[in-house]
Amino acid sequence: DTEVTQTPKHLVMGMTNKKSLKCEQHMGHRAMYWYKQKAKKPPELMFVYSYEKLSINESVPSRFSPECPNSSLLNLHLHALQPEDSALYLCASSQDSRTYEQYFGPGTRLTVT
Amino acid sequence: AQSVTQLDSHVSVSEGTPVLLRCNYSSSYSPSLFWYVQHPNKGLQLLLKYTSAATLVKGINGFEAEFKKSETSFHLTKPSAHMSDAAEYFCVVSDPGTGGYNKLIFGAGTRLAVHP
Repeated sequence: DTEVTQTPKHLVMGMTNKKSLKCEQHMGHRAMYWYKQKAKKPPELMFVYSYEKLSINESVPSRFSPECPNSSLLNLHLHALQPEDSALYLCASSQDSRTYEQYFGPGTRLTVT
Repeated sequence: AQSVTQLDSHVSVSEGTPVLLRCNYSSSYSPSLFWYVQHPNKGLQLLLKYTSAATLVKGINGFEAEFKKSETSFHLTKPSAHMSDAAEYFCVVSDPGTGGYNKLIFGAGTRLAVHP
């Protein structure tokens, strides 16, 4: 099973809402990633978790809060977002943080109104 | 520093004709190189990877790429395009980074259109 799943597929939220994105993998991977992708652009790395610990935060605003409850799950908590945060949010995983090959989920299309 | 340049932002081909998507890279190390494909409103799927083994790499769906160190290129090819190949393609180079984390550096992407 080389699948990374993400829920929900689509999310519309107001600027005062609190919502969460969920990512799950059952490949035994120990590194998980959040990327943000704007239209017609490549993905931009946001966060890296390695062995359930936050390893990299690419200077992401605090209105995005990642969480890794266990080795299979990765959440992204959203609060007080701005319209410019509307994007496709992709989750990925790899065997570990020294492995380049990453498997991506289908993404959550987020719209902030 | 590692970087990757996709030489064409858009490529248009007719169904059944060859596909060539061009990618040049710059790396201070022996790189790992990847091609990912993204269909509309979908996630990224790994097409193929080069990790210092054979220079001609075969991937899924009939795609292949050749690593040419002298030309710092990793072009993606397919002998015969299919309508289902229409998508965005990203060339990606590895970056060893620091702190025990390997980073992927994405090219800007090439949009492939396939016409009947």
